[in-house]
Amino acid sequence: GAGVSQSPSNKVTEKGKDVELRCDPISGHTALYWYRQSLGQGLEFLIYFQGNSAPDKSGLPSDRFSAERTGGSVSTLTIQRTQQEDSAVYLCASSLTQNEKLFFGSGTQLSVL
Amino acid sequence: GQNIDQPTEMTATEGAIVQINCTYQTSGFNGLFWYQQHAGEAPTFLSYNVLDGLEEKGRFSSFLSRSKGYSYLLLKELQMKDSASYLCAVRDPGGSYIPTFGRGTSLIVHP
Repeated sequence: GAGVSQSPSNKVTEKGKDVELRCDPISGHTALYWYRQSLGQGLEFLIYFQGNSAPDKSGLPSDRFSAERTGGSVSTLTIQRTQQEDSAVYLCASSLTQNEKLFFGSGTQLSVL
Repeated sequence: GQNIDQPTEMTATEGAIVQINCTYQTSGFNGLFWYQQHAGEAPTFLSYNVLDGLEEKGRFSSFLSRSKGYSYLLLKELQMKDSASYLCAVRDPGGSYIPTFGRGTSLIVHP
């Protein structure tokens, strides 16, 4: 596609439910990043995929968070048993290689009630 | 560890010049990004500095001093549409090349 696509754009869920957030990176980009942005805060790194290498999960805040990237393309971020503190904008980005600039999607606004 | 500092908020007048500073302390360095983010939108790329000096691109310029751990974004001939958050990010090879972002500087341009 022309840019990084994320879905849904908005997600409202109840505390304790599981949610899945999807990211379609730019075709041919080998690197894919997930960040989250809370109100008034900077971008917090979550997880990074580079080609066929094992993902860098060092930013995941708890074991309720997981992500996968299938076929080196689409990625899904899953949050289990959501908590109110998980409410944030989840941003996905991709880059051609690990040394190139990042292109961001518009994000998923997650609200946990 | 990594630490990136930027002012939280700045205001400026339409037509003026504004400089947004960013200081960083990282274990390694492999480039510094500036991104622009309008409210409710995705961050968009502005500049990338790897070597010391000034990079000019239209109304926007970015400066880097690696020895001082310092960068600034210079915006000239400010327009109302420049009101946005400006994010500084450092790429650290010791951190798997993953860019670490500062909290961003909210710039308000008024008439």
